[in-house]
Order: sequence, then C-alpha cells, then structure tokens
Amino acid sequence: AQSVTQLGSHVSVSEGALVLLRCNYSSSVPPYLFWYVQYPNQGLQLLLKYTTGATLVKGINGFEAEFKKSETSFHLTKPSAHMSDAAEYFCAVRSLGGYQKVTFGIGTKLQVIP
Amino acid sequence: ETGVTQSPTHLIKTRGQQVTLRCSSQSGHNTVSWYQQALGQGPQFIFQYYREEENGRGNFPPRFSGLQFPNYSSELNVNALELDDSALYLCASTIMGQVNSPLHFGNGTRLTVT
Repeated sequence: AQSVTQLGSHVSVSEGALVLLRCNYSSSVPPYLFWYVQYPNQGLQLLLKYTTGATLVKGINGFEAEFKKSETSFHLTKPSAHMSDAAEYFCAVRSLGGYQKVTFGIGTKLQVIP
Repeated sequence: ETGVTQSPTHLIKTRGQQVTLRCSSQSGHNTVSWYQQALGQGPQFIFQYYREEENGRGNFPPRFSGLQFPNYSSELNVNALELDDSALYLCASTIMGQVNSPLHFGNGTRLTVT
C-alpha cells in the first residue's frame, strides 16, 4: 500500500523566512503526489501536483515542490513566508491503477510569526 | 465552472441516529469520493463512486454507505451513529482515468455526535 509521512506536525517560521515542509512517500512504483492546503473551517485546496515529467513542480501562491526518487521525497518549499500562508498542509499520494484512492499524511500546521 | 458543494455545513446528531450528507460534484467530473477528517488528523478515505457504483472502499464499516446519482451528485449515509463519527466529512470529485485530474474538495460538513 502506498503511504506518505510528513515530518513535523507543527512548523513555525518568521515572516519572510524560507518555508520547508517535509514529505516522504512509500511506493514500489513512481506515484502521483500532491500537496493540499487547508484553511480553518474549509476544505482542501490543491497547491500542486506531480504526475510525470519535470521533477520540480510549481504551484499556486509561490509554493513549489521537488520530486526526488532517490530520496523518496516530495518536500514543499516557499522562499518567503507570508502571514496568509498560515494553514495546515497535507501531502498525499494516489494509486496508479484501479480506483483513484488518495492517501493523505497527517498534516503539518504552519505558523507564521510576524 | 461550478465547484464542489456540500450540505449541510454543520449538523448535530445523537448517538444511534442516522444521517445523510449531500454533495454536488464539480461540473464535468464523473467520480465522487468521500473522506472523514477527525480533529487533528488527515482525511481518511471512506469510499468512491463511479458510474453510480461503489468502486473502492477504505477501512470503514458497512453502516457507512453511499449513493451516486445520474447527475454525478452523491450522498453519504451513516447509520447507528457513534461518538467517534464526529468529524469533518469531505466530498471530492475528479475525472476517472485522467492522470492529471486531481481531487477537488468541497468545504465539508462538520458532524457532531452527542
């Protein structure tokens, strides 16, 4: 079964500092990987996705992630944090065949300090 | 383009009761999935519907059931409610078989079981 592990349930950064949220996946074949963001009392919004092709993926709101097969990682980064980035971030993996079940990590809550 | 909409937004039920949650998928999407998100956790896959049939199920008991209608809208039914069923229930839609089609989520229904 495919799974993702998010390292760090809470991350705090200063406004303007680099954001790095870590995600490692477990899969016997190259997976489809996603990052979602969830603001309080809302559903999940897609930030970016990796399916095939370029390993550096750019998403919305200045976020990007790099797929590293050798490290089985898909870490999310943003060069400069904004207050509006405070939210919970979920890494997810989707199965390749059959039905399109998506498995989520436990989430990382990002706090941005002014 | 109409996004995923869910109703109601909040619901309070008593243990042992039954509940029905509703979801309208994003226009052009033919597949609906339901997820349960307990407080402080990532979303957990309940099941998925495609062509009005359940074609994938997570680790949830049979008292969780669903329907998909010809217009691709969906219902989640939970019988014999338990306190642990208190959670945010998220509906997501996508296009079956399309690699680049991620899940699009609604804002969820917050269910409280007392």
